[in-house]
Amino acid sequence: AQSVTQLGSHVSVSEGALVLLRCNYSSSVPPYLFWYVQYPNQGLQLLLKYTTGATLVKGINGFEAEFKKSETSFHLTKPSAHMSDAAEYFCAVSSLLAQKLVFGQGTRLTINP
Amino acid sequence: EAGVAQSPRYKIIEKRQSVAFWCNPISGHATLYWYQQILGQGPKLLIQFQNNGVVDDSQLPKDRFSAERLKGVDSTLKIQPAKLEDSAVYLCASSLETRNTEAFFGQGTRLTVV
Repeated sequence: AQSVTQLGSHVSVSEGALVLLRCNYSSSVPPYLFWYVQYPNQGLQLLLKYTTGATLVKGINGFEAEFKKSETSFHLTKPSAHMSDAAEYFCAVSSLLAQKLVFGQGTRLTINP
Repeated sequence: EAGVAQSPRYKIIEKRQSVAFWCNPISGHATLYWYQQILGQGPKLLIQFQNNGVVDDSQLPKDRFSAERLKGVDSTLKIQPAKLEDSAVYLCASSLETRNTEAFFGQGTRLTVV
């Protein structure tokens, strides 16, 4: 079975600071990895995804994530936080075999002015 | 391109009552998902359809939850009878196929059972 662990249910950073949201996954087969963002009272929006190929993936709104197989990690980063980045972020995993999307518990990102 | 449409947006019912949610996926999307998101948790897959066939319903509480996707387009999720612990946001999503393609989510239906 596949699973995702997001380290830190709540992360708080200052505006302009580095954003780092941590995600570790478990999968017995090559994973497909995703980061989604959820704003209050909204559905989930895809930020970026890794399937195959380049391990550094760039997404929308200046976010990027790096797939590290040896560490089973897929951490999300952004060099400079903006107030509009405040939201809930979810890491998710699937695979060619498992197909269904399994989500982590989420990390709430707060941006301090 | 129209997104995934869900209705209603909010619903409040008493325990033991029944409720139904509706989802219209993006046109042409073969795969449709229903997720349950309890406050403070990540979404949990309830059921996944490929066209009008069920791919995965292993986490659907079948004694009270049911879902259908007639004609492989719209879908309805029903709860009967509802329990207090069913209070959650019910998210519908769709994708072109099940593998590595993006799943597009609707805004969800917030259910409160009192």
